[in-house]
Amino acid sequence: DSGVTQTPKHLITATGQRVTLRCSPRSGDLSVYWYQQSLDQGLQFLIQYYNGEERAKGNILERFSAQQFPDLHSELNLSSLELGDSALYFCASSPGPADSPLHFGNGTRLTVT
Amino acid sequence: GESVGLHLPTLSVQEGDNSIINCAYSNSASDYFIWYKQESGKGPQFIIDIRSNMDKRQGQRVTVLLNKTVKHLSLQIAATQPGDSAVYFCAENTRGGANSKLTFGKGITLSVRP
Repeated sequence: DSGVTQTPKHLITATGQRVTLRCSPRSGDLSVYWYQQSLDQGLQFLIQYYNGEERAKGNILERFSAQQFPDLHSELNLSSLELGDSALYFCASSPGPADSPLHFGNGTRLTVT
Repeated sequence: GESVGLHLPTLSVQEGDNSIINCAYSNSASDYFIWYKQESGKGPQFIIDIRSNMDKRQGQRVTVLLNKTVKHLSLQIAATQPGDSAVYFCAENTRGGANSKLTFGKGITLSVRP
């Protein structure tokens, strides 16, 4: 068990809808990262937050947004969903802003129909 | 563009043999490298890491080798066991000013034959 908790485990929704994925980092970790994993793209970095502030941005679509709250949990919001957004979404956490291993949750499987 | 890639998509080994998983990276600015293991239905699990000021690091049954000259990273697993069957990812950390980004390779499937 990595200590990173993601909810829900599975999510099925229709195109055009909006969903929110939730992540609780390991106790003591200040950084939260979001990754998207699909069969043809591998693990793609979306965004990182450190202690409530956005730290780094990857290939995150404008339809997607995230935030990290004062209690350090994070939410990833996906809107105007398209079929191609179907993927596994992983959250990871680490103690500091960089240069330490990321510890991943078990992901949220999003299916857009 | 800059990328992290793996030479082979799948690797099949006999139980008890040693496994070697290779990874090429292209960004010379990368200074930290990590190997992850991902089992079905789970998130990537940290195996071992190495910084660019080292060329070898050993863990329990695993060794990571870094060759900065040819930008090559490898993971060696000794006495491979059925429980080692999984997808393995290499990842490189690249500094970009105040930011750093961890980029993952495509992944390679390790299959252990009994």
